[in-house]
Amino acid sequence: TQLLEQSPQFLSIQEGENLTVYCNSSSVFSSLQWYRQEPGEGPVLLVTVVTGGEVKKLKRLTFQFGDARKDSSLHITAAQPGDTGLYLCAGVVYQAGTALIFGKGTTLSVSS
Amino acid sequence: DAGITQSPRYKITETGRQVTLMCHQTWSHSYMFWYRQDLGHGLRLIYYSAAADITDKGEVPDGYVVSRSKTENFPLTLESATRSQTSVYFCASSEIAGGYNEQFFGPGTRLTVL
Repeated sequence: TQLLEQSPQFLSIQEGENLTVYCNSSSVFSSLQWYRQEPGEGPVLLVTVVTGGEVKKLKRLTFQFGDARKDSSLHITAAQPGDTGLYLCAGVVYQAGTALIFGKGTTLSVSS
Repeated sequence: DAGITQSPRYKITETGRQVTLMCHQTWSHSYMFWYRQDLGHGLRLIYYSAAADITDKGEVPDGYVVSRSKTENFPLTLESATRSQTSVYFCASSEIAGGYNEQFFGPGTRLTVL
């Protein structure tokens, strides 16, 4: 059983389109992080959300943590080819140690 | 060079052989981690270390051994490699544990076991 379910698994869109990636769980998380990974490289942190209902913006990327801290979303406005990559959500289950649990990831391809 | 490095970047070995993957970080981070990344499974934690001489199992530790005699190094050894251990291995480090701090990842080692 995957603690963090990401959807969709794959996304192929045209430049300029908007998209949303979801990260869902039945467990409560102390925090959730989003990482982006490019081919042949390790993941790189984009954002950490800690408070239920929290919204963070990073240029064209908007991250939201669900009110109950069980889910998160990543919304990209006007996607660009440079946004192409694997997006991973990761979190620490509330009161269950300190290990970071990763979702399987969403592979995004943006074509011009 | 500052950062976190892994060696080798690519390794092909045979079933039953011992293989050691190296990880080195220059930040003096307390925590270091080993993950494996497989299609359909995402990133899974193998072992982690909170400090020199302190290590603990993650989600998938069977068949792996780690040591941490120095803060900056965290080698991962496959004592008798199996085909199921074919994967991409990532080392990471962070100042503290938990999901509030960034984990910095190395570039990965692609291991193929024939």
